[in-house]
Amino acid sequence: QSALTQPASVSGSPGQSITISCTGTSSDVGGYNSVSWYQHHPGKAPKLMIYDVSKRPSGVSNRFSGSKSGNTASLTISGLQAEDETDYYCSSYTSSISYVFGTGTKVTVL
Amino acid sequence: QVQLQESGPGLVKPSETLSLTCTVSGGSVSNNNYYWTWIRQPPGKGLEWIGDINYSGSTSYNTNYNPSLKSRVAMSLDTSKNQFSLKLNSVTAADTAVYYCATRLIFSKCFDPWGQGTLVTVSS
Repeated sequence: QSALTQPASVSGSPGQSITISCTGTSSDVGGYNSVSWYQHHPGKAPKLMIYDVSKRPSGVSNRFSGSKSGNTASLTISGLQAEDETDYYCSSYTSSISYVFGTGTKVTVL
Repeated sequence: QVQLQESGPGLVKPSETLSLTCTVSGGSVSNNNYYWTWIRQPPGKGLEWIGDINYSGSTSYNTNYNPSLKSRVAMSLDTSKNQFSLKLNSVTAADTAVYYCATRLIFSKCFDPWGQGTLVTVSS
């Protein structure tokens, strides 16, 4: 099971919007509405930001939104803030009754 | 609110068995509405799902393992201690990673919450 493909880095200025892509196959991202996104500050527990492609858990800012088209899912962060600077990972359920994560994206706030 | 904490040796020799435990508070490992999960992250690399386990009654469990690790992995539950465990045998340097425990609801496909993680180094 190959990792989902994410850009290694994405950057933006405070207040701007950025989008992180997550590309898989029809056996994972494209086949299920089961994509989730995690924010991970190194040394801390990863935090769920989006689940089921576009749903936001209670307590997560509405600046975070998710979508999917075909085999590619996306996480958009609007109104970028300094506290958003960290690593982000996508994940998808797969046809192998397993889960696969993305390669990870480092978000930099300029 | 479920909270998770990993524990176990930080150093394992090559060819030996890595053993980790996750202690659950604020919830019960015998609650069959949850799958208890292990995920790892090698240094400088991305996350990898190892597998999960669900209590299905008495001494019965449901398990799902990553196909690439299935031959070396075993997970178990200890309901008396409210813990779940991971064993990974025949380890090599490639198994060096931060190991996280996490949980998901039975019909959910996302992991929430996660533990802080514990670094396991495979070295002689």
